[in-house]
Amino acid sequence: NAGVTQTPKFRVLKTGQSMTLLCAQDMNHEYMYWYRQDPGMGLRLIHYSVGEGTTAKGEVPDGYNVSRLKKQNFLLGLESAAPSQTSVYFCASDGIQGTYEQYFGPGTRLTVT
Amino acid sequence: SQKIEQNSEALNIQEGKTATLTCNYTNYSPAYLQWYRQDPGRGPVFLLLIRENEKEKRKERLKVTFDTTLKQSLFHITASQPADSATYLCALYTGGFKTIFGAGTRLFVKA
Repeated sequence: NAGVTQTPKFRVLKTGQSMTLLCAQDMNHEYMYWYRQDPGMGLRLIHYSVGEGTTAKGEVPDGYNVSRLKKQNFLLGLESAAPSQTSVYFCASDGIQGTYEQYFGPGTRLTVT
Repeated sequence: SQKIEQNSEALNIQEGKTATLTCNYTNYSPAYLQWYRQDPGRGPVFLLLIRENEKEKRKERLKVTFDTTLKQSLFHITASQPADSATYLCALYTGGFKTIFGAGTRLFVKA
């Protein structure tokens, strides 16, 4: 039982390049989330999904797209990276009724130059 | 605007003492509040959840209080150990599958 995994762990992009971050969970959770974490700020919700085939915008969705084609996977895409998207990205999942406990992945550190 | 505040200054305490961390919030009426632990270079790990109708929750050496009138939660670690050194995040569920996280307070426990 690996929990929540994220790939890649590190990435450096040039401005304007695109990339996809992959999140996978093996706990059969319905809900999945993408957050970004910047120094001195709390985790901010980018997009989330309440089930396979669904996605919704969070607090800071601009410049990102997501897809949830399979229940266990949640992909975060950057179509045209900008330096303001330099951050650490965390994926999380939950779905155990009544606990509201979110399980987080190890994070992806992205630098956009 | 809606805000969660945690002490941005690190908390330094001696091993064996009780660490107390504070979380204040404005303009929310959260159904529940959570505390997470985050170690450097890793994702947050869930510790405790307390609901709006609960005043206090305990788990081993951890205790959380929730005062909805003061809009404040206190997080206590008793008999602290160097292994408790980490950043602790407060999080509020605001409805609609959205949780708002504080920036966290860094705790250092000295042996």
